[in-house]
Amino acid sequence: KQEVTQIPAALSVPEGENLVLNCSFTDSAIYNLQWFRQDPGKGLTSLLLIQSSQREQTSGRLNASLDKSSGRSTLYIAASQPGDSATYLCAVRRIGSQGNLIFGKGTKLSVKP
Amino acid sequence: GAGVSQSPSNKVTEKGKDVELRCDPISGHTALYWYRQSLGQGLEFLIYFQGNSAPDKSGLPSDRFSAERTGGSVSTLTIQRTQQEDSAVYLCASIRGGAPIDEQYFGPGTRLTVT
Repeated sequence: KQEVTQIPAALSVPEGENLVLNCSFTDSAIYNLQWFRQDPGKGLTSLLLIQSSQREQTSGRLNASLDKSSGRSTLYIAASQPGDSATYLCAVRRIGSQGNLIFGKGTKLSVKP
Repeated sequence: GAGVSQSPSNKVTEKGKDVELRCDPISGHTALYWYRQSLGQGLEFLIYFQGNSAPDKSGLPSDRFSAERTGGSVSTLTIQRTQQEDSAVYLCASIRGGAPIDEQYFGPGTRLTVT
């Protein structure tokens, strides 16, 4: 059974700091991994999608890496800003499934001005 | 273009009542998923529709839950005889095709509160 774990559950940093969010998954048989952002009371915004054949994806100040063999992904946020405050969710799409995503419980990030 | 839309955005209902939640996927997207986000539980898969194929209902928590997708587009999730544990945010996502590499696009969700 695929399980996705995100550490830490919550993180508070001062503005300007670089930070790393961690995601681990138990079954390496995945099609891809996706990082999302969720603001309070809102839906999910897709940040980065990494296919299983890829090692990393970058978008602006965000960089996501994938090490499928070890079951790990990281989301790196450079020069954090208060507007980055949100919950970040990691999800994997498991091979052999109907394509539904399996989510971690998220990391709640707070960036203090 | 328009994204995935869901209605209502918020729904408060009394225990025992039936509710219907609606999802409008992105036009042309053939696959649609429903997920539930409960407090402290994370996001859980509920049901999956792909084209005209029979839906995958493996994630539905009980027979009080059902969903349909009319004309391969709009989907309705129905919860009968609601219970307090049904309180959650219900999210819908659509995918352009059925390929495993395709990205899922999520709607804003419906927050259901059962009193």
